[in-house]
Amino acid sequence: QVQLVESGGGVIQPGRSLRLSCAASGFNFETHALHWVRQAPGKGLVWVAVISYDGGNENYADSVKGRFTISRDNSKNTLYLQMNSLRAEDTAVYYCARGTSWFGENDVFHVWGQGTMVTVSS
Amino acid sequence: DIVMTQSPDSLAVSLGERATINCKSSQSVLFISNNKNYLSWYQQKPGQPPKLLIYWASTRESGVPDRFSGSGSGTDFTLTISNLQPEDVAVYYCLQSYHTPPYTFGQGTKLEIK
Repeated sequence: QVQLVESGGGVIQPGRSLRLSCAASGFNFETHALHWVRQAPGKGLVWVAVISYDGGNENYADSVKGRFTISRDNSKNTLYLQMNSLRAEDTAVYYCARGTSWFGENDVFHVWGQGTMVTVSS
Repeated sequence: DIVMTQSPDSLAVSLGERATINCKSSQSVLFISNNKNYLSWYQQKPGQPPKLLIYWASTRESGVPDRFSGSGSGTDFTLTISNLQPEDVAVYYCLQSYHTPPYTFGQGTKLEIK
């Protein structure tokens, strides 16, 4: 079945880096844009970033622009989120989500992973 | 950026009754060329990821019970849950995907059983 499985979360000190992964299965990975969405403890959903089907286009929320980088490896059916200069306010569950578009515009998030928790704390 | 505002923040409804959640966008999310509203609704139960219920404002996702319905156009939208069941207890979010990036969610509405 269609599945997204995130990994790579954990406890990390402020200022350090962390890379999240999202392994996909059950669908044609290379024909879908992919997104990261996060949720701070007890808070709502916040969109973080999107990458086009071929990795050629990326967009970010202002809160992470310049610190986070979204990427993908279509040969491995895997999405990544490289998070640098982490701050306490980046503490959240990070979800990857699949839309229906190729380029990540006007998307609907039909498929979600279970999420991976990132805690930024000294 | 488009701001999405849901109301109410929380509500309690009796089993078997109807729950209504509203979502208002600061700009229209209606794409005139294809007459689609880029507004979707998600349900999130405790400890679980969000689940898509409704997209294009009124199209039900496959497998979602027909008790869930969406309506509205332009800037004002409604999610209606008829015949409320215990398993409908959750937080519900709207999302606009017209003026992207960024995608913007509403703040969420917590639905409980009265």
